[in-house]
Amino acid sequence: GEDVEQSLFLSVREGDSSVINCTYTDSSSTYLYWYKQEPGAGLQLLTYIFSNMDMKQDQRLTVLLNKKDKHLSLRIADTQTGDSAIYFCAESGSGYALNFGKGTSLLVTP
Amino acid sequence: ETGVTQTPRHLVMGMTNKKSLKCEQHLGHNAMYWYKQSAKKPLELMFVYSLEERVENNSVPSRFSPECPNSSHLFLHLHTLQPEDSALYLCASSRDGRANSGNTIYFGEGSWLTVV
Repeated sequence: GEDVEQSLFLSVREGDSSVINCTYTDSSSTYLYWYKQEPGAGLQLLTYIFSNMDMKQDQRLTVLLNKKDKHLSLRIADTQTGDSAIYFCAESGSGYALNFGKGTSLLVTP
Repeated sequence: ETGVTQTPRHLVMGMTNKKSLKCEQHLGHNAMYWYKQSAKKPLELMFVYSLEERVENNSVPSRFSPECPNSSHLFLHLHTLQPEDSALYLCASSRDGRANSGNTIYFGEGSWLTVV
């Protein structure tokens, strides 16, 4: 099937905002997710958004959804070095499991 | 701690060995998954079990054999693997198996497999 697309790498300075973008493929996806993977660990759910919403805010995280363009973004405010990780976008699709992108490696420099 | 525990965390095996990966979830979920994570590739879904019945098998070679004896446990039996099978194998669980019903999928820490 088609891939969920994400840019592979993003570098920001500590204290700045990070924006990670994703283009998904299945317009029937009811839920869109962001997962975080730290080195040597599994995937941790960060947040998700229901497809009838266009924005969701959760502390430092803001998710924007443009359903017409099938575009999802994750904004991290006041990015910290502990936010350095790989961020995966995923769509619920229509089957039994989520479709993931390849992940965006976020590097936060002091 | 996500409630999904995988063992072993690291495994090195020869191509003629037989080994198993184990996963246990303490979340009361009914669906469990195996995913494969290789460098520079999207996560690949391997198998999905819902209420101990396999509901999805994504053209995985027969050298990988899953087993789900109950809704809390999932195994991946490995036999005559190839070096290209070296990867991180992630177990996950959710309330039920339908992704579009809003079930959050919770992942374990993964088992790093190296085939030599």
